[in-house]
Amino acid sequence: DADVTQTPRNRITKTGKRIMLECSQTKGHDRMYWYRQDPGLGLRLIYYSFDVKDINKGEISDGYSVSRQAQAKFSLSLESAIPNQTALYFCATSEPNRGQDTQYFGPGTRLTVL
Amino acid sequence: QKEVEQDPGPLSVPEGAIVSLNCTYSNSAFQYFMWYRQYSRKGPELLMYTYSSGNKEDGRFTAQVDKSSKYISLFIRDSQPSDSATYLCAMARNRDDKIIFGKGTRLHILP
Repeated sequence: DADVTQTPRNRITKTGKRIMLECSQTKGHDRMYWYRQDPGLGLRLIYYSFDVKDINKGEISDGYSVSRQAQAKFSLSLESAIPNQTALYFCATSEPNRGQDTQYFGPGTRLTVL
Repeated sequence: QKEVEQDPGPLSVPEGAIVSLNCTYSNSAFQYFMWYRQYSRKGPELLMYTYSSGNKEDGRFTAQVDKSSKYISLFIRDSQPSDSATYLCAMARNRDDKIIFGKGTRLHILP
């Protein structure tokens, strides 16, 4: 089984709808992240959490919110989806070890907002 | 000037060739340098991790960091069609800092 799972894998929705993307991990890592990937813009950080009581904004948090329900679960919500939020969304986890903080990515959620 | 610059490609090379992928950066505080590989319809996965300047080798892959020039490279020797993917450079100031990714270079290895 995959260490980092994301649901749904694909979603098509309409402008104004509320959408939740979910991420679960079995790696036992404290740190979790949400990124979006757009052609020509690369990976951009939306939110990150270093433990269940810690939530931090990334570079593009406007229009998004997150919830860290447990060490293993980190959800991303779009309260009122808009077309320019159409993108590939990735969840990632990490745990600093021996000076290295490798990020492990999930398979991604392809979101289309019409 | 963007913090991390990476040529998006695509870069096409014949099988067996040496591939050179590069990134430049503007923030001299970066100390951790990474290369991630992303296959189509998959999430990125860590390929190489380097702290500060110098070289690091792992099999057919070599990562180089030149902090004086703010330039990092990834070399792939004896390239294979299975190396066809998007390669993203990434860097951070410290272990607790957010990682800044380059936009990625699409690489095609031609059989």
